[in-house]
Amino acid sequence: LAKTTQPISMDSYEGQEVNITCSHNNIATNDYITWYQQFPSQGPRFIIQGYKTKVTNEVASLFIPADRKSSTLSLPRVSLSDTAVYYCLVVGNAGNMLTFGGGTRLMVKP
Amino acid sequence: KAGVTQTPRYLIKTRGQQVTLSCSPISGHRSVSWYQQTPGQGLQFLFEYFSETQRNKGNFPGRFSGRQFSNSRSEMNVSTLELGDSALYLCASSPLGTRNTEAFFGQGTRLTVV
Repeated sequence: LAKTTQPISMDSYEGQEVNITCSHNNIATNDYITWYQQFPSQGPRFIIQGYKTKVTNEVASLFIPADRKSSTLSLPRVSLSDTAVYYCLVVGNAGNMLTFGGGTRLMVKP
Repeated sequence: KAGVTQTPRYLIKTRGQQVTLSCSPISGHRSVSWYQQTPGQGLQFLFEYFSETQRNKGNFPGRFSGRQFSNSRSEMNVSTLELGDSALYLCASSPLGTRNTEAFFGQGTRLTVV
């Protein structure tokens, strides 16, 4: 399973764009890159998933360069309610056997 | 559509006892997986069931077991509880559990072993 590395924590202010980068040097050809968000004492919530290039949905964008060894989650105009832990995962053949790393603790300040 | 339901939400047990946690997946979802979350070890995969069969298993001792019923509901059991088993236990369901589908997590069961 590809290991992921992401910053332990990040601070931002309301209204700013936040970019969280994750490295996954050993990603396999069939792996997908997935991001989850978790609030305290709740289960993680799926944010976005991609295989290559750029994916955008109503809450975030995911940028994946051609070599797929890293990815960047972009959260536009964050609010206080975006304060959470964000996990980058590489999902392989065993799709529902998710391997979580330490995540990035995002703190959004007023 | 109802989400993933885990019961009970909170549980306090004594060392040496056993415990059973329950998970009802989203209707139509056939894959159910379980995770343990602790401050020290983070989120760790326990096992996954698909159509009543264990399909994947994490690196946990045999005291941790699970099963899935024909209606996709799942239970996990921990026998001979230890203090270190205190954790948030999370269940997730997905339609097929393939790599390009999202997993939906429940709120978790907070287990405290005293």
